[in-house]
Amino acid sequence: EDQVTQSPEALRLQEGESSSLNCSYTVSGLRGLFWYRQDPGKGPEFLFTLYSAGEEKEKERLKATLTKKESFLHITAPKPEDSATYLCAVQADQAGTALIFGKGTTLSVSS
Amino acid sequence: DAEITQSPRHKITETGRQVTLACHQTWNHNNMFWYRQDLGHGLRLIHYSYGVQDTNKGEVSDGYSVSRSNTEDLPLTLESAASSQTSVYFCASSAARGRAYEQYFGPGTRLTVT
Repeated sequence: EDQVTQSPEALRLQEGESSSLNCSYTVSGLRGLFWYRQDPGKGPEFLFTLYSAGEEKEKERLKATLTKKESFLHITAPKPEDSATYLCAVQADQAGTALIFGKGTTLSVSS
Repeated sequence: DAEITQSPRHKITETGRQVTLACHQTWNHNNMFWYRQDLGHGLRLIHYSYGVQDTNKGEVSDGYSVSRSNTEDLPLTLESAASSQTSVYFCASSAARGRAYEQYFGPGTRLTVT
């Protein structure tokens, strides 16, 4: 069964304290892995797509990496405005275009 | 700018009533999706469509239906609302099949069934 597990469930950081969020996945064949940001009361906002092991994408303080079993979202020198829930999702070869989501990591950054 | 809109944003209904949630996208995307989001479960797929007249069941489709009469709209109908369908509903769209296209989400509809 295709599955996505995110850890930790919640993460509290001080402003400037870098850290990483983990997304472990089990799929029959990976077509793509996606990272989203979700603010309270809003829909998920697309951040990155990763297609193959070794690939990396960056956007401001965020950097996403991918291996054959997991993805990491590295947050460098976070600011309070980076506080949000970060969702990981995979698209498997046999799932058409449907995404399988993890439950998310809620990040809180305090000043 | 292209966008996805959902209406209503909040809805309170009674058990047994039929409810329709609207989703409209101006991306001109072929693919459209409905998800529900609940604490402890994350986002789960309800129904999806790859184009006009095409609909498919997702992981949690029981009690829901969709129809696709044009590219822009995919309304979600709860045939007889149940308390277990209290949730936040998100509509999403993506470009055509063939590779891993990202999905773009609407702002959500918070539905309460009393």
